[in-house]
Amino acid sequence: QKEVEQNSGPLSVPEGAIASLNCTYSDRGSQSFFWYRQYSGKSPELIMSIYSNGDKEDGRFTAQLNKASQYVSLLIRDSQPSDSATYLCAVTDGSSNTGKLIFGQGTTLQVKP
Amino acid sequence: EAGVTQFPSHSVIEKGQTVTLRCDPISGHDNLYWYRRVMGKEIKFLLHFVKESKQDESGMPNNRFLAERTGGTYSTLKVQPAELEDSGVYFCASSQDQGGRKFFGPGTRLTVL
Repeated sequence: QKEVEQNSGPLSVPEGAIASLNCTYSDRGSQSFFWYRQYSGKSPELIMSIYSNGDKEDGRFTAQLNKASQYVSLLIRDSQPSDSATYLCAVTDGSSNTGKLIFGQGTTLQVKP
Repeated sequence: EAGVTQFPSHSVIEKGQTVTLRCDPISGHDNLYWYRRVMGKEIKFLLHFVKESKQDESGMPNNRFLAERTGGTYSTLKVQPAELEDSGVYFCASSQDQGGRKFFGPGTRLTVL
């Protein structure tokens, strides 16, 4: 069974620190990788997507992908209390061309003022 | 631009009853996905429509679940008869392209008593 593994947390960091969220996936055929942020009771919101090995930066967020190690990470610099949420790692199913996603359980991030 | 909307936001029904969930995707999005999150588990894929056609329904749990997308606009997901294990949050997502950014709705929280 194809899986995406995340530490459920909570991960607690002080305001202004770097938060590091990690994810491993089992499907070597996965081609696209995503990080979603979900506030309690709200819809998952896409914050980063990455498709090739290396780093991708967007503002305070950096996604890192290592396909050989089947590892994806998300760094949040200068963490703010408003970043407190659950972060979901999702990868595309490598055996499907429909774009369907396989999700991890999510990591809860708490940023303390 | 309106986002993905879902109705109802909450539904509480008794075991054996029928419930119909509705999803209105973003206008112009041909791809519509249903996902479900059962308590304590990760978000899991249910099925995928391209316009009115089912492209992949490999995630549908059993034949008590019926999804339709008549006319290729909104979609409904009917559960009949509902069982206790059907409780969870049902998310709908839409995208222009299969590999494109997916926009999620706020979800319908279904509780089966």
